[in-house]
Amino acid sequence: DIVMTQSPLSLPVTPGEPASISCRSSQSLLHSDGYSYLDWYLQKPGQSPQLLIYLGSNRASGVPDRFSGSGSGTDFTLQISRVEAEDVGVYYCMQAQETPYSFGQGTKLEIK
Amino acid sequence: EVQLVQSGAEVKKPGESLKISCKGSGYSFSNYWIGWVRQMPGKGLEWMGIIYPNDSDTRYSPSFQGQVTISADKSITTASLQWNNLKASDTAMYYCARPHWDSGWHGVDYWGQGTLVTVSS
Repeated sequence: DIVMTQSPLSLPVTPGEPASISCRSSQSLLHSDGYSYLDWYLQKPGQSPQLLIYLGSNRASGVPDRFSGSGSGTDFTLQISRVEAEDVGVYYCMQAQETPYSFGQGTKLEIK
Repeated sequence: EVQLVQSGAEVKKPGESLKISCKGSGYSFSNYWIGWVRQMPGKGLEWMGIIYPNDSDTRYSPSFQGQVTISADKSITTASLQWNNLKASDTAMYYCARPHWDSGWHGVDYWGQGTLVTVSS
């Protein structure tokens, strides 16, 4: 099974400053179709998760352009160019390369 | 509008059975995988499994295989998650979710509101 490892697990950020979250997979997520099957989700307090990034680097509909995803193979990064108060919550990466699909442990972003 | 509406919160005793549901609407229910995700209190997301309603093809996480049953009824556009012998450790929020595309289960942008299951004697 593919294991997803995120870092850091806690991320205090000053509003307006950038933030970065790393996600590593124990196996390559690069499919034969050329896509890396890695999604990023945000779970805001008391809410269901919401999709931010799919296939490693594609922003979901309605996601602000301050969010960006990069990486391929086994190393991926979610970047927020300028953190806003509404970005607080827990960020998860998830691999959909092969079942059983799996999430990272989550990174809790808080505002300083 | 695509919607996934889950059944309400449940309080059960250890050893009891339970079936929770997720009703899909606003799209062709049979043609999209639906998945279940567990979130234990204060913990992260865990992928449980997925089902393709059109042919009931089901994939489970080894962690949940044999512990739960995932099913789908196309006639009522509803997916279900079932336990036959609940344990206290099944206490969690359970989410159903559907991907954006009709192939695979990635880019999951439709989520139910969650069903809280509490198992306590």
